[in-house]
Amino acid sequence: DAGITQSPRHKVTETGTPVTLRCHQTENHRYMYWYRQDPGHGLRLIHYSYGVKDTDKGEVSDGYSVSRSKTEDFLLTLESATSSQTSVYFCAISATGGGNTIYFGEGSWLTVV
Amino acid sequence: QKEVEQDPGPLSVPEGAIVSLNCTYSNSAFQYFMWYRQYSRKGPELLMYTYSSGNKEDGRFTAQVDKSSKYISLFIRDSQPSDSATYLCATPTTNTGNQFYFGTGTSLTVIP
Repeated sequence: DAGITQSPRHKVTETGTPVTLRCHQTENHRYMYWYRQDPGHGLRLIHYSYGVKDTDKGEVSDGYSVSRSKTEDFLLTLESATSSQTSVYFCAISATGGGNTIYFGEGSWLTVV
Repeated sequence: QKEVEQDPGPLSVPEGAIVSLNCTYSNSAFQYFMWYRQYSRKGPELLMYTYSSGNKEDGRFTAQVDKSSKYISLFIRDSQPSDSATYLCATPTTNTGNQFYFGTGTSLTVIP
């Protein structure tokens, strides 16, 4: 296992409520990512971080924010959840350098009703 | 054109068959390629990692890169029901930011 823990693993929430997903890594990798995976779309990058307090947007960042106050923790917040944000969310980590690869957590299943 | 394209399948084969999973990529500058296996309701796990051209073998799995045609393949010999999963190909981007391109995945079912 890649030393990535996501919480919560499953959550049902109501439209309009804020939701925070947490990712914790024990590998001390510099890069952390949040992806969502939906049928027909594959993995889509929401936000990523390249260091403490250093984050950037991915291709589907609208409605999401992130924070990284410690190397090991990367939080994804849905500020006001919508039904279109019902998805499975994967945290991933990667070390620095060319030829690097990326490792995924087990996923957080979010349902917005 | 997407940077990495993959036939979504689904692919269904009998146990013991040789399976060929394929991706194409758009940029000849890509050098590193990965294959991930994703079981239902699980995260993708790294299966194979290759650099540049040629073959890499690991047990029943062989990853092949053909840079002349920008084609990557994963072969599974003596396929088992436990190989039933979705397989994703991936490559790091060549720009800064340490990002990755992923195929959308091919769903494989191995029938006992």
